[in-house]
Amino acid sequence: DAGVIQSPRHEVTEMGQEVTLRCKPISGHNSLFWYRQTMMRGLELLIYFNNNVPIDDSGMPEDRFSAKMPNASFSTLKIQPSEPRDSAVYFCASRLAGQETQYFGPGTRLLVL
Amino acid sequence: SQKIEQNSEALNIQEGKTATLTCNYTNYSPAYLQWYRQDPGRGPVFLLLIRENEKEKRKERLKVTFDTTLKQSLFHITASQPADSATYLCALLSSYNTDKLIFGTGTRLQVFP
Repeated sequence: DAGVIQSPRHEVTEMGQEVTLRCKPISGHNSLFWYRQTMMRGLELLIYFNNNVPIDDSGMPEDRFSAKMPNASFSTLKIQPSEPRDSAVYFCASRLAGQETQYFGPGTRLLVL
Repeated sequence: SQKIEQNSEALNIQEGKTATLTCNYTNYSPAYLQWYRQDPGRGPVFLLLIRENEKEKRKERLKVTFDTTLKQSLFHITASQPADSATYLCALLSSYNTDKLIFGTGTRLQVFP
């Protein structure tokens, strides 16, 4: 079992650039969650999908953030344009239907200069 | 609003002692509570889940209690080892959305030999 896979692991970009983060959930899991973690605010849920459908995006900070899940094995989180305050670690997690446990990926550490 | 509090100060203890971490919550009636472990540079890893009708749950050297009257959970590691050093996060199921976990900011545990 490969676990949740995220890429890239590290991303350094300049303010104004577009950033795309990628996630492959555990095979068979039908829920996918995107989180952001900072020292000040901890781990915050941005958006989650059930069966590839976005259910709750109330945590998305603003319109610069968007997320898609075109199929059961792939999701993207895009920031356009990026700003220095977007610097954080972004985690993807997946969950099997009927279970409560979420399985996290290794995260993408984003630095926006 | 729903709020979860964990001691932001690091907990330093000597190997062999019992570590006790606290998670307090307000404005909540969670159906269950989870504890996760997070190592530096990695995603959180699920440890234990305790439901509102359970007082205590054990797993090897780990023990979790859940007091819905005090709105508090305690997480104990007995016979602590340096390998237990990590950040421990508590997470509660949102009372507004049963798919969403709300995470505390975590407590860093350091076990010294």
